Amino acid sequence: DTAVSQTPKYLVTQMGNDKSIKCEQNLGHDTMYWYKQDSKKFLKIMFSYNNKELIINETVPNRFSPKSPDKAHLNLHINSLELGDSAVYFCASSSSPWTRGKEQETQYFGPGTRLLVL
Amino acid sequence: GENVEQHPSTLSVQEGDSAVIKCTYSDSASNYFPWYKQELGKGPQLIIDIRSNVGEKKDQRIAVTLNKTAKHFSLHITETQPEDSAVYFCAATKWANGGKLTFGTGTRLTIIP
Repeated sequence: DTAVSQTPKYLVTQMGNDKSIKCEQNLGHDTMYWYKQDSKKFLKIMFSYNNKELIINETVPNRFSPKSPDKAHLNLHINSLELGDSAVYFCASSSSPWTRGKEQETQYFGPGTRLLVL
Repeated sequence: GENVEQHPSTLSVQEGDSAVIKCTYSDSASNYFPWYKQELGKGPQLIIDIRSNVGEKKDQRIAVTLNKTAKHFSLHITETQPEDSAVYFCAATKWANGGKLTFGTGTRLTIIP
């Protein structure tokens, strides 16, 4: 069983369209993340959710809206797609990193969704 | 915020030789430093990590060292094999960051048979 799964794996769409990427984890984690990897392979966090609550929002355009229906799922909806949105989007999950004094937990990444905006 | 620099950007070594990748970080409060390996078409996979209360950690052919004073940490791979070819990322974070990892720019490692 895949620990962190994403659908679709590839997404090719036209500028201006709206699309969604889905992520599911079966690790029992309560924190999930979205990262963006650009064409130069640079990885940058976009959002994180803890127990369905938004915790990190890294100045991402509001065309991007994450939604967490439950702890095991974190979806990413993108409105009005632009050429610059073309990238690989990775979902990740971990146990909660919030408790003072508690060690940070390993983040497990999904296989990625390759988005190409034409 | 945290800034992580990683060198070199590309590295080619003969099979069986050692490879070293170095990272520096800017935030002295950072206390967790994972290393990820990303194979072509796949997501990053954790290969080793180190916390700030430890200076060195080893797992078979892979080791990581941390110098908190100098704010740098390094990945060492010994007896390299063709399957070690991949892109390697270092990262840094601190407990107050809520899990936000700041990644280095990656090193493309190629093992020459």
